[in-house]
Amino acid sequence: DTAVSQTPKYLVTQMGNDKSIKCEQNLGHDTMYWYKQDSKKFLKIMFSYNNKELIINETVPNRFSPKSPDKAHLNLHINSLELGDSAVYFCASSQTGAPAFFGQGTRLTVV
Amino acid sequence: AQRVTQPEKLLSVFKGAPVELKCNYSYSGSPELFWYVQYSRQRLQLLLRHISRESIKGFTADLNKGETSFHLKKPFAQEEDSAMYYCALSGDSNYQLIWGAGTKLIIKP
Repeated sequence: DTAVSQTPKYLVTQMGNDKSIKCEQNLGHDTMYWYKQDSKKFLKIMFSYNNKELIINETVPNRFSPKSPDKAHLNLHINSLELGDSAVYFCASSQTGAPAFFGQGTRLTVV
Repeated sequence: AQRVTQPEKLLSVFKGAPVELKCNYSYSGSPELFWYVQYSRQRLQLLLRHISRESIKGFTADLNKGETSFHLKKPFAQEEDSAMYYCALSGDSNYQLIWGAGTKLIIKP
């Protein structure tokens, strides 16, 4: 069974569109994260939720909005996509502290 | 300021040779350090954490507070060790990691 799964794996879309990436974990973890990995492979945290409550909200554009309907899910919605949003987005989860399990990543390409 | 530095963007060694991936940190308190690995086309995964003091896939890392380092070592590299390695630090907040820029390790046959 996949521990952390995110969909879709690939997403190609035009500038200005709105898109969502979904993430689910079946580990019973309390904390979930969204990370962005740029073309130089640099990782940057975007958001973190603990038991559906937002605990980390880094300085990302407010076009990015996370939604956690329950502690097993953390979705990422992006409005008005821009070219610079092209990256690989990783979801992760942990029970305590540092992220331990990651999703396979969603490669977003904005054209 | 809290910072994690991985001075090598790319490290290339021959199979069977020792490997050392460098990680230096800047933090005033007592940090928790981690190494993560991302194999080609696979998800990022936690490799080891300093508090566990364990060896995973032959890799070890010792926290040296005097030198503020947490280098990752393996005595004999294998081709399957080729991957991207990230060092990370957990300081004030357990939930927020400070990441190094990563080192791409290539093991030559």
